[in-house]
Amino acid sequence: QKEVEQDPGPLSVPEGAIVSLNCTYSNSAFQYFMWYRQYSRKGPELLMYTYSSGNKEDGRFTAQVDKSSKYISLFIRDSQPSDSATYLCAMSANYGGSQGNLIFGKGTKLSVKP
Amino acid sequence: SAVISQKPSRDICQRGTSLTIQCQVDSQVTMMFWYRQQPGQSLTLIATANQGSEATYESGFVIDKFPISRPNLTFSTLTVSNMSPEDSSIYLCSVEHWTGAGGYTFGSGTRLTVV
Repeated sequence: QKEVEQDPGPLSVPEGAIVSLNCTYSNSAFQYFMWYRQYSRKGPELLMYTYSSGNKEDGRFTAQVDKSSKYISLFIRDSQPSDSATYLCAMSANYGGSQGNLIFGKGTKLSVKP
Repeated sequence: SAVISQKPSRDICQRGTSLTIQCQVDSQVTMMFWYRQQPGQSLTLIATANQGSEATYESGFVIDKFPISRPNLTFSTLTVSNMSPEDSSIYLCSVEHWTGAGGYTFGSGTRLTVV
């Protein structure tokens, strides 16, 4: 079993839809959870960062962490064509320092159709 | 947050040659990180570059293949040596995200094709 599992998609939705992106993980020591957005031919851009369980909201984006289920989600409300990108989840047991323990999912490719 | 400039953005190289990728940060950072992103695969950490010391390589990556320099607190280079088609990938540098939000900032990447 891989440490982090993420459905690669592609996921295609109409403009205005609510998008749900998910990752599951196996390492119970993970406590820092991140979502990155990566546009074509660009580097990943940090979108959301959460610590431990709970929800975090930033505009149209909501990140949820359920440590009991080892499951994290990113919700995008009122999705826009500009949200079309690949979304990567990432997680680690420790904050900062060496990134040797920062584990990424493979990314989900999202397409929002006008 | 830090701003990273990475060069070149892309290159097509002959097998057996070497390519050096540059990463410039607009602020001083203790650690810089080099990643590889292969099609359909997760981002994989190659090594951590500290100023004034040898880079620390992850399992599966060796200094002879991926030599790294870190001459100061704002600059690093990664060389992909003796390239083969299997080295075709996107290479990214990264630093810690300093706004207090946690996470890491990435450069725009170098898309390498080896023919």
